[in-house]
Amino acid sequence: AQRVTQPEKLLSVFKGAPVELKCNYSYSGSPELFWYVQYSRQRLQLLLRHISRESIKGFTADLNKGETSFHLKKPFAQEEDSAMYYCALSGTGTALIFGKGTTLSVSS
Amino acid sequence: AAGVIQSPRHLIKEKRETATLKCYPIPRHDTVYWYQQGPGQDPQFLISFYEKMQSDKGSIPDRFSAQQFSDYHSELNMSSLELGDSALYFCASSHRDFHHNEQFFGPGTRLTVL
Repeated sequence: AQRVTQPEKLLSVFKGAPVELKCNYSYSGSPELFWYVQYSRQRLQLLLRHISRESIKGFTADLNKGETSFHLKKPFAQEEDSAMYYCALSGTGTALIFGKGTTLSVSS
Repeated sequence: AAGVIQSPRHLIKEKRETATLKCYPIPRHDTVYWYQQGPGQDPQFLISFYEKMQSDKGSIPDRFSAQQFSDYHSELNMSSLELGDSALYFCASSHRDFHHNEQFFGPGTRLTVL
């Protein structure tokens, strides 16, 4: 079955601390993996996709097929990073399958 | 740049009533997706359309139907509303040849069923 698991519902860190939001997936094939972010009162927006292999706002994510993971990392969290983060995958169809999301709270 | 537009932003209905949600995709986008996000839940895929034809179907109840029109806007029709239909309904659009088929999301319509 296709599934995305985000084990942490809430992650609370201090400004400047490293951040890692975990994402594991289950898919029998070659999925495309994404991280979407939703800031307070704003729409869902794409943060990263694994095929791009780029860094956005200091965030990076590496697809580990052996561990079926796509964890999101940032070395130094900023207060403006506080938001809801969703890991998602797209398989043979183009519909996205989302994880349950992780709320990141960065405080000073 | 123009984004995905959804109408209305908020909607309050009573049980057994009907509701119609509208989605206006980004110009030149050929694919529209509908997602439902219940309170504290992740977005769940309902249905999608490519070039006005249904392209994929998810967990959409039989009470719901949707279509994409000639101008590419889409409508989600919901009948015999139930309390459990209260949710945020997102629409997203994409173009198969642009931005690696990235989905751009609208702000959502919040439906409350009383």
